[in-house]
Amino acid sequence: DTEVTQTPKHLVMGMTNKKSLKCEQHMGHRAMYWYKQKAKKPPELMFVYSYEKLSINESVPSRFSPECPNSSLLNLHLHALQPEDSALYLCASSQAPPGRVVSNEQFFGPGTRLTVL
Amino acid sequence: DAKTTQPNSMESNEEEPVHLPCNHSTISGTDYIHWYRQLPSQGPEYVIHGLTSNVNNRMASLAIAEDRKSSTLILHRATLRDAAVYYCILRDVSGAGNMLTFGGGTRLMVKP
Repeated sequence: DTEVTQTPKHLVMGMTNKKSLKCEQHMGHRAMYWYKQKAKKPPELMFVYSYEKLSINESVPSRFSPECPNSSLLNLHLHALQPEDSALYLCASSQAPPGRVVSNEQFFGPGTRLTVL
Repeated sequence: DAKTTQPNSMESNEEEPVHLPCNHSTISGTDYIHWYRQLPSQGPEYVIHGLTSNVNNRMASLAIAEDRKSSTLILHRATLRDAAVYYCILRDVSGAGNMLTFGGGTRLMVKP
């Protein structure tokens, strides 16, 4: 199984709502990532988890709260978002955490398309 | 991370070879050249990577200039399924490594 799954595929939420995005992989990968991708733009890294611990936070606002309950699951909790947070949210995983492994290919899920009204 | 420059878009005919260029004039000795592509409505997927020598795999070939300041991704026979945005990324393995910093990419259109 070389797949990263993400749910839901689409999400529409108001600015006062609380919602969560879910990501799952069963490849035994020890690093998981959240990226944000605005329309017609490249993906931008948000968070990195290594061995279930948050290792990198790219100065993401606190209204985005990541969680890694176990080595296969990664959540992104959303609260009090703004319309400009509307984007495609991509999850990825890699066998090894960030480091000196050259061919540490990242596997991406299809993303959750989020619309904030 | 060192910066890459790619054309915004390219067009190709189906079943013809495609050469996608990437300039990285500020590349350092510890930077590996990675290519990912993003098909419509999908997440990015790994294509190929290399350091100095040319590389081949089942998806593509990577030709790296002798001075490493540029590289070319070669799709030997483009299919309609190859229409995607292709990202050329430099990864510095001397530091934190494995951070993918995506640039603008090249949108490849394949005509039947």
